[in-house]
Amino acid sequence: SQTIHQWPATLVQPVGSPLSLECTVEGTSNPNLYWYRQAAGRGLQLLFYSVGIGQISSEVPQNLSASRPQDRQFILSSKKLLLSDSGFYLCAWNTGETEYTGELFFGEGSRLTVL
Amino acid sequence: GQNIDQPTEMTATEGAIVQINCTYQTSGFNGLFWYQQHAGEAPTFLSYNVLDGLEEKGRFSSFLSRSKGYSYLLLKELQMKDSASYLCAVMDSNYQLIWGAGTKLIIKP
Repeated sequence: SQTIHQWPATLVQPVGSPLSLECTVEGTSNPNLYWYRQAAGRGLQLLFYSVGIGQISSEVPQNLSASRPQDRQFILSSKKLLLSDSGFYLCAWNTGETEYTGELFFGEGSRLTVL
Repeated sequence: GQNIDQPTEMTATEGAIVQINCTYQTSGFNGLFWYQQHAGEAPTFLSYNVLDGLEEKGRFSSFLSRSKGYSYLLLKELQMKDSASYLCAVMDSNYQLIWGAGTKLIIKP
């Protein structure tokens, strides 16, 4: 069966510090991978998505970046965090079979607080 | 612009029925989705509607009217574990999901 894991689950970082969130998927190959951010009282915001190794599409201009060094690994990074980067970050995946049916499988989430 | 509207919060009683509404305005339509999200956890997929009408899955049903830009999620025989946020999302013409802010459902004994 397929599983998705992301870490760390919780982190508190000072403004200006770097960030690295990691997500891995197991049990499937060539998944579509997504990074979302969820702010209180707002809908999920798509940050990045990837349809293959090294292929990253950015939806929102910001100080975040994403990389996909391996087929089932997706990393969200920042060189210098801003206060506005605080939020709940979710990694998700689907495949070509579910890509057009809206079914996404989410990781456990990472709650980031920037102080 | 694209917009998904749903109530911020609803309260219902254990054992009762509740209907959570969602209205949308998007550039194109390729389906409407409902997800459940317990506090501090990731969303989980509940339902998918692409044609008008009612889809039933056990205690949960989802309805869609494309001409009205309207959907609802109906939860029957409410249980305490149904306390969660319910997210409405629409897939637009580019097959991107547009998400509502979610409806927090509080179940009281």
